[in-house]
Amino acid sequence: NAGVTQTPKFQVLKTGQSMTLQCAQDMNHNSMYWYRQDPGMGLRLIYYSASEGTTDKGEVPNGYNVSRLNKREFSLRLESAAPSQTSVYFCASSPQGWGAEGYTFGSGTRLTVV
Amino acid sequence: QKEVEQDPGPLSVPEGAIVSLNCTYSNSAFQYFMWYRQYSRKGPELLMYTYSSGNKEDGRFTAQVDKSSKYISLFIRDSQPSDSATYLCAMSEDDKIIFGKGTRLHILP
Repeated sequence: NAGVTQTPKFQVLKTGQSMTLQCAQDMNHNSMYWYRQDPGMGLRLIYYSASEGTTDKGEVPNGYNVSRLNKREFSLRLESAAPSQTSVYFCASSPQGWGAEGYTFGSGTRLTVV
Repeated sequence: QKEVEQDPGPLSVPEGAIVSLNCTYSNSAFQYFMWYRQYSRKGPELLMYTYSSGNKEDGRFTAQVDKSSKYISLFIRDSQPSDSATYLCAMSEDDKIIFGKGTRLHILP
């Protein structure tokens, strides 16, 4: 029972490089989310996908793009990485929307941009 | 005023003590209230949730919601070193969920 799987776990990028963070869930959840977590800032929503085929911006979408590839997979792309994007990135999923079922989080991707 | 306020700590207590973690909020439309636990270098995991006001108990953990005061609490009885983690409160209404910034808790053996 894997839950939410994120790859890679660690990554170091040079400024201007691009990369895609991968996320897959095996719980048949409809909704998926990408957050970043920074010291003193808490969890901030980057993008979310309420259901397969839809994506919407969250609180801090600038510099990111997403793709909901299918019901299981939701990827986050950094087109031209900047040092301000150094962070820990979490993918999460939920059965439906924002309700009390809560989110299941992946174990995170630690990204450093130099 | 921020929508959700949570003291970042760190909070250090001796093993066996009762721990009280709290959040205040400003949006009276919040209906669901959750607590997540996050161990170092791991993702948050849902610990408990409650709907509207009242108490909910699960083993050593009790979640309390007071909507009239816009105040939620998580109590941990007989605290253990394995409870050392960051605890995030979270609350939601129909179209969004807001997380607190988390309180770091250290249980001293």
